[in-house]
Amino acid sequence: QQPVQSPQAVILREGEDAVINCSSSKALYSVHWYRQKHGEAPVFLMILLKGGEQKGHDKISASFNEKKQQSSLYLTASQLSYSGTYFCGTSGGGSNYKLTFGKGTLLTVNP
Amino acid sequence: DAGVIQSPRHEVTEMGQEVTLRCKPISGHDYLFWYRQTMMRGLELLIYFNNNVPIDDSGMPEDRFSAKMPNASFSTLKIQPSEPRDSAVYFCASSPSAYEQYFGPGTRLTVT
Repeated sequence: QQPVQSPQAVILREGEDAVINCSSSKALYSVHWYRQKHGEAPVFLMILLKGGEQKGHDKISASFNEKKQQSSLYLTASQLSYSGTYFCGTSGGGSNYKLTFGKGTLLTVNP
Repeated sequence: DAGVIQSPRHEVTEMGQEVTLRCKPISGHDYLFWYRQTMMRGLELLIYFNNNVPIDDSGMPEDRFSAKMPNASFSTLKIQPSEPRDSAVYFCASSPSAYEQYFGPGTRLTVT
């Protein structure tokens, strides 16, 4: 089943913070975060694994609550370049590869 | 180092025609994925390969879709016959590990 992302859209001014949430009804093995700019391919941001391991960009932080099957992506001191659609992809069953993506959160950062 | 290469970038075809999309993964990446993206359904995994072997094709919508990976540097996704509802952006991605996937620029397919 497709994870649910919230909010669907958010508008920020440069320098403001944002939190994007991802929730699943199924037990999760890992949560992946990607950003896609209009007309471009998705770009990897971060992966969070069951058990606490994380790997991703230094300026991006995220959390993974295994019990609640939820993840949050934290964007602090936003820059214009942060604009885009953020997708969470979830996997279960011990595999990192078979991802089910949410419908995305459109983030717009204005000057 | 070149990223994932996909061709063609745009394809317009008539209903009933065969469509072949091509992908060259990043050298050394053992995993290859095919995705489809539409406004209605979002980004969907169709099939993925490990070391040229299909591992999971449960996302392939129906028998009209087939994918092959004859060697480590080439994969194809074929639709035969194509239908208007197949119109979408098709992405190929490759990965060296259990972590990040590197997406290609995509092929925008329009079936009229």
